[in-house]
Amino acid sequence: DGGITQSPKYLFRKEGQNVTLSCEQNLNHDAMYWYRQDPGQGLRLIYYSQIVNDFQKGDIAEGYSVSREKKESFPLTVTSAQKNPTAFYLCASFGAGLDRFEQFFGPGTRLTVL
Amino acid sequence: GDSVTQMEGPVTLSEEAFLTINCTYTATGYPSLFWYVQYPGEGLQLLLKATKADDKGSNKGFEATYRKETTSFHLEKGSVQVSDSAVYFCALSLLTGGGNKLTFGTGTQLKVEL
Repeated sequence: DGGITQSPKYLFRKEGQNVTLSCEQNLNHDAMYWYRQDPGQGLRLIYYSQIVNDFQKGDIAEGYSVSREKKESFPLTVTSAQKNPTAFYLCASFGAGLDRFEQFFGPGTRLTVL
Repeated sequence: GDSVTQMEGPVTLSEEAFLTINCTYTATGYPSLFWYVQYPGEGLQLLLKATKADDKGSNKGFEATYRKETTSFHLEKGSVQVSDSAVYFCALSLLTGGGNKLTFGTGTQLKVEL
């Protein structure tokens, strides 16, 4: 089945540590996105990538970094510069053709900073 | 900038009651409109969409009509079930040079009781 996988589902980090969240898709989609979700708020865009080896900052990119070396993969690193990293992180992808109006979402990773 | 406003929750209903969740938007162009649903601890799933004025999106008994004159996309269901309990997000997207980026409302939690 085609879809988006994120791992791990739960992640704990000590303050001052960098951590990388995984996102993989087998939908053959060109565009991929990372969102952050906080309680009582909508989703906010962190970074997005429209094509391999290219990515752009979203609305809240500070303290985060990404790479897009392969079409299938778009990992997100939460750095120690992110002041309030505890949140639910969602990855999404976007294709073309019949899917061209829909973003598909992964199951999310809940990051907790201890 | 583009924005989505939806009614605050939680909305608590009895099973078989009628549901309306209001959503209005502001956009510089001609957006596509979406309703996503999020069950506890999961990612977002597309519930329905509409891509042009007067389009009606429908799925699983839920409906929403794209009203350009009132810039609205209200979600309705004639008879809710306990299994409909979730958080519902209204969103818009504009296909621009920056790709297909979604702008979300803050979400409305729905609780359906027996």
